[in-house]
Amino acid sequence: NAGVMQNPRHLVRRRGQEARLRCSPMKGHSHVYWYRQLPEEGLKFMVYLQKENIIDESGMPKERFSAEFPKEGPSILRIQQVVRGDSAAYFCASSPLGAGTEAFFGQGTRLTVV
Amino acid sequence: GENVEQHPSTLSVQEGDSAVIKCTYSDSASNYFPWYKQELGKRPQLIIDIRSNVGEKKDQRIAVTLNKTAKHFSLHITETQPEDSAVYFCAASGVNTSGTYKYIFGTGTRLKVLA
Repeated sequence: NAGVMQNPRHLVRRRGQEARLRCSPMKGHSHVYWYRQLPEEGLKFMVYLQKENIIDESGMPKERFSAEFPKEGPSILRIQQVVRGDSAAYFCASSPLGAGTEAFFGQGTRLTVV
Repeated sequence: GENVEQHPSTLSVQEGDSAVIKCTYSDSASNYFPWYKQELGKRPQLIIDIRSNVGEKKDQRIAVTLNKTAKHFSLHITETQPEDSAVYFCAASGVNTSGTYKYIFGTGTRLKVLA
């Protein structure tokens, strides 16, 4: 059973471009969480998704950011028109039954906006 | 909104000593409290967790205690070793007032074990 897989591991984008971050949850896990981490800082909640549904997006900026978790395929975190302040590590985690069960993290995608 | 406070932000201990990290949470509906260890440049990894129906759980040198009345929980590491050096995050989760789930993390504690 492979762990949570994120790709790419490193992503460099110029200001104004789009960034697409992918997260494949562990087999059997239908709950995905995205977190953002700045250097030397904590894990800031962005969005919680189940298959085909956004359950809670209260931590995600209303503009430029979107997330999806389709019936087939990985969860995608999309950042449009990136700015330097978007540079961070983006982690996703998955769990089988939502809160109250163990959540496992992927390796993260380190986004650098130049 | 939901909040988890974590203290201290940094902690240095001598090898062999104990380390204690404390967290408080605001949402009384929280019922699951995991602890994660994150080494530099790596993913957070679950090291121990506790559910609201127990007050203490131990796994070798690591233990976690929970006081639901006071809404705080603590991580205890005994006989610390240099490889324990990392950032530790607490988290709280459960069904919140909006009827949704999420894990809310503390701000992290950077533990340094001095040889």
